[in-house]
Amino acid sequence: DAKTTQPNSMESNEEEPVHLPCNHSTISGTDYIHWYRQLPSQGPEYVIHGLTSNVNNRMASLAIAEDRKSSTLILHRATLRDAAVYYCILPPITDKLIFGTGTRLQVFP
Amino acid sequence: DADVTQTPRNRITKTGKRIMLECSQTKGHDRMYWYRQDPGLGLRLIYYSFDVKDINKGEISDGYSVSRQAQAKFSLSLESAIPNQTALYFCATKGTGRLGEQFFGPGTRLTVL
Repeated sequence: DAKTTQPNSMESNEEEPVHLPCNHSTISGTDYIHWYRQLPSQGPEYVIHGLTSNVNNRMASLAIAEDRKSSTLILHRATLRDAAVYYCILPPITDKLIFGTGTRLQVFP
Repeated sequence: DADVTQTPRNRITKTGKRIMLECSQTKGHDRMYWYRQDPGLGLRLIYYSFDVKDINKGEISDGYSVSRQAQAKFSLSLESAIPNQTALYFCATKGTGRLGEQFFGPGTRLTVL
């Protein structure tokens, strides 16, 4: 199964864009890239996923490098509610999601 | 109503006691999962089930057992609880297919004294 690497923590000010990086150099051609986030005292929630092309939804954008060895989750205007742990995951064909330690995002007013 | 519910939400028990954590879902999903989360760490997969007749061990199944009573119900048991099983436990569901997202319950905070 492909492994992902994320920074342990990042900080942002409110209303500024945030770029959360993820490295997945062993990604295979059929691996999708999923992002989840976990707000304090809650279960994780799905954010976005993609394969090759950049993706946008109401929560965030996902930018995928051309070689697919890295991706970036983009929060266009961070809010205090976006403070959470963000997980970058490559779901294997076995469907066993493996959550690493993720990136803890702090947002300051 | 929540799509994925867990009971109880909080439980304090003593070493050696048998504990059951229950999970119910109304999403009609076949796949259900149990995870545990320790402070400052990510989620670790305990067991997962792809349908009522299919149960699989995850990363850390020792000391746990599960029962898939119906498509909508997936229970996690600690046969003889020990203090290092103190953690936050999450249930999740997912539809068939790799692209589907997992939906998580609110979690059960278990403390074993």
